[in-house]
Amino acid sequence: AQKITQTQPGMFVQEKEAVTLDCTYDTSDPSYGLFWYKQPSSGEMIFLIYQGSYDQQNATEGRYSLNFQKARKSANLVISASQLGDSAMYFCAMREGWSSGFQKLVFGTGTRLLVSP
Amino acid sequence: NAGVTQTPKFQVLKTGQSMTLQCAQDMNHNSMYWYRQDPGMGLRLIYYSASEGTTDKGEVPNGYNVSRLNKREFSLRLESAAPSQTSVYFCASSEAPGQNTEAFFGQGTRLTVV
Repeated sequence: AQKITQTQPGMFVQEKEAVTLDCTYDTSDPSYGLFWYKQPSSGEMIFLIYQGSYDQQNATEGRYSLNFQKARKSANLVISASQLGDSAMYFCAMREGWSSGFQKLVFGTGTRLLVSP
Repeated sequence: NAGVTQTPKFQVLKTGQSMTLQCAQDMNHNSMYWYRQDPGMGLRLIYYSASEGTTDKGEVPNGYNVSRLNKREFSLRLESAAPSQTSVYFCASSEAPGQNTEAFFGQGTRLTVV
């Protein structure tokens, strides 16, 4: 079964508007962490934001926020005031398994975001 | 401040050839990883090393071997390259297992097997 599901292969948004990229996850471990990474066309992986399973508040980092709905097992990334430089591939990832030893980081298949002027 | 350094950045191999992808990190991280990225499949974990002296298989280990040479270095070896191993390979590192810290990635190696 997929641990991380990103159902939007591609998304379009106009500059200055907000966009939400979806991510659902599957785990039975009560302790886990959720991450979002950005991959621009140059190829590097850039860490954006992190949410812990026990965090009471949604994580925010500048224009990025994470809409964490634990009961629904979703961790959607919200980008406010989109910029042309936000055009990239975005990956959701999860680290689980605190109780079982080493915690691997597993990734979803990604969403390609295109920001238009 | 180099972070995670991978070499080479590009490589073309013939089927059956062998090669080693090198990775080094200067952040004193305990854990290191090798991923491959294929279109439509995201990043898939090949091997990881929780700490110096240990290595374990990830999701797609067949056809690969790894060596954790020391705390800084984690290499990935293809003994007999196959066209199915054409991919972009990423090395990453993170702090000790159990910490809620992000993984830092190298720039990637684009490998083509013909």
